[in-house]
Amino acid sequence: ELKVEQNPLFLSMQEGKNYTIYCNYSTTSDRLYWYRQDPGKSLESLFVLLSNGAVKQEGRLMASLDTKARLSTLHITAAVHDLSATYFCAVVSLYTSGTYKYIFGTGTRLKVLA
Amino acid sequence: DSGVTQTPKHLITATGQRVTLRCSPRSGDLSVYWYQQSLDQGLQFLIQYYNGEERAKGNILERFSAQQFPDLHSELNLSSLELGDSALYFCASSVGITVDEQFFGPGTRLTVL
Repeated sequence: ELKVEQNPLFLSMQEGKNYTIYCNYSTTSDRLYWYRQDPGKSLESLFVLLSNGAVKQEGRLMASLDTKARLSTLHITAAVHDLSATYFCAVVSLYTSGTYKYIFGTGTRLKVLA
Repeated sequence: DSGVTQTPKHLITATGQRVTLRCSPRSGDLSVYWYQQSLDQGLQFLIQYYNGEERAKGNILERFSAQQFPDLHSELNLSSLELGDSALYFCASSVGITVDEQFFGPGTRLTVL
């Protein structure tokens, strides 16, 4: 059964600091996603990671995927207040039938303090 | 603005009732996805349609059903509503059949009393 765990669940950090959010999953993954959700708002797609060793960067956020360790990380560099949000990872596992399993992590609520 | 629209924004109804949520995808997108977000269950994928055909099912209850119409808009029907169905329902769209970069609508907040 596909399970996705994120940690930490809550993260309070100072502006200018670096930190990493971890996403572990339990079975083979075909795609891994990172999303951002601002309070009271919808989701925003940040990254789609397709293969082992994939690394993507956008501004102060960098996501990577290690399929052998079944681990993805979202690294925040020199955090700013605007990055305060909840971040979700999600994993898709394809079945041979063509359908798939699509499971979200619990989310990491990030608060960046001035 | 993602280009994905959802109506209504808010819906308040009673247990046992039936409601329909509507989603219009971005122009050119053929896939529509439905999600449920609640405090109890977190974020859950419900179902994907691609060009009118059901592509994949997630944790969608039998009381729920969806369809995608020829103009590519989609509707999520929730029936025999229970208190636990109160949640935010998002739809998203993407260009292709694979679960690729998605663009999310603003959501419909459903409250079941």
